[in-house]
Amino acid sequence: EIVLTQSPDTLSLSPGESGTLSCRASQSVRADYLAWYQQKPGQPPRLLIYGVSRRATGIPDRFSGSGSGTDFTLTISRLEPDDFAVYFCQHHDTSPTWTFGQGTKVEIK
Amino acid sequence: QITLKESGPTLVKPTQTLTLTCTVSEFSVRMGVGWIRQPPGKALEWLALVYWDDDKRYSPLLKRRLAITKDTTKNQVVLTMTDMDLMDTATYYCARTKVGLGYFDSWGQGILATVSS
Repeated sequence: EIVLTQSPDTLSLSPGESGTLSCRASQSVRADYLAWYQQKPGQPPRLLIYGVSRRATGIPDRFSGSGSGTDFTLTISRLEPDDFAVYFCQHHDTSPTWTFGQGTKVEIK
Repeated sequence: QITLKESGPTLVKPTQTLTLTCTVSEFSVRMGVGWIRQPPGKALEWLALVYWDDDKRYSPLLKRRLAITKDTTKNQVVLTMTDMDLMDTATYYCARTKVGLGYFDSWGQGILATVSS
């Protein structure tokens, strides 16, 4: 089973700044099957990115994903008030199981 | 736009079995419905998934306690979890994926199931 470790646990930023979130896998993620979700309090997760860098429908280009192998990054540019949330990564290989990272909280500085 | 909605008990006692139902607006070819849970303030944990062709997958950690079934005539997916414990208190989500993709692009609002005596 692939273990995903996200860092930092909390990222404090001001609106307008950019932030970089990291997701490290315990073994290589096959065929770039890595996704990112955003979750706000009291809401279900929302898919942001899949396949490492492909934005889901309706996701603004301020959100971008990159990486390969075991190291992946979500970058949020020009942070807006609505972006302050918790972000989870997930490997979405077609193998029998899927795992999520523990999450990174992006908070207002 | 597909919709999913979870239903079931919000309170169960330790050792009881939890049965949750996910009602989806449509169950199409190559679609899968998974269950993911989230203890309060904690991370997401994938539990189980069933595809349109009845292919089923389970978390290795919880496999012996889980069963997932689907009823396409009712557009429902049912998850049962046996021998509930206090540590199983969580919000349980159902979510949609598609064969070969593995990510979840539509989610229900979730249901908080509390385990307490």
